[in-house]
Amino acid sequence: EPEVTQTPSHQVTQMGQEVILRCVPISNHLYFYWYRQILGQKVEFLVSFYNNEISEKSEIFDDQFSVERPDGSNFTLKIRSTKLEDSAMYFCASNRGFTGELFFGEGSRLTVL
Amino acid sequence: DAKTTQPPSMDCAEGRAANLPCNHSTISGNEYVYWYRQIHSQGPQYIIHGLKNNETNEMASLIITEDRKSSTLILPHATLRDTAVYYCIVRVPGEKLTFGTGTRLTIIP
Repeated sequence: EPEVTQTPSHQVTQMGQEVILRCVPISNHLYFYWYRQILGQKVEFLVSFYNNEISEKSEIFDDQFSVERPDGSNFTLKIRSTKLEDSAMYFCASNRGFTGELFFGEGSRLTVL
Repeated sequence: DAKTTQPPSMDCAEGRAANLPCNHSTISGNEYVYWYRQIHSQGPQYIIHGLKNNETNEMASLIITEDRKSSTLILPHATLRDTAVYYCIVRVPGEKLTFGTGTRLTIIP
């Protein structure tokens, strides 16, 4: 069964460093998302992406965040200068059509020291 | 501005049916009811969704009341692997998924 894959599974970084989290969505999917979950808290929407542009973003997704689909298969989330409060599990998701269910990856755990 | 209300936790005996309630009294006509679950810290997993008719798939059944103000997710024969947080989400298709705090379901051996 096709699945969304994410790398790395866990990344530890120093505050102020840049981090790139990578995702390979399901191959025929057209809509892509990033969510995050701080330990013990809700799953929060960050951004949605369609047709090579951001379609919606939350208040969390400020200028420190960016997304890119560089090569037609990968979907990346970049955090330019990480803060302690960026420590969280980051989930990538994709769906085939506007109304379809979202398929989530297993997540990338980011720890900022 | 939660659109749904779920009990924070429930227990169910292994092998029995788990019935998870959800209230969504302000649901609008074009909003669907979606159910996802999250096992431990894994990525959320889609279970089922419906508009007004009852739905069934290989994982679960979804019963939506006639007035659509509440619904019940039924896991017919719960196993230990069904222990998870279950999220009931109302959403217009195409809108982002907004997760609440869900129901933590514990399956008891």
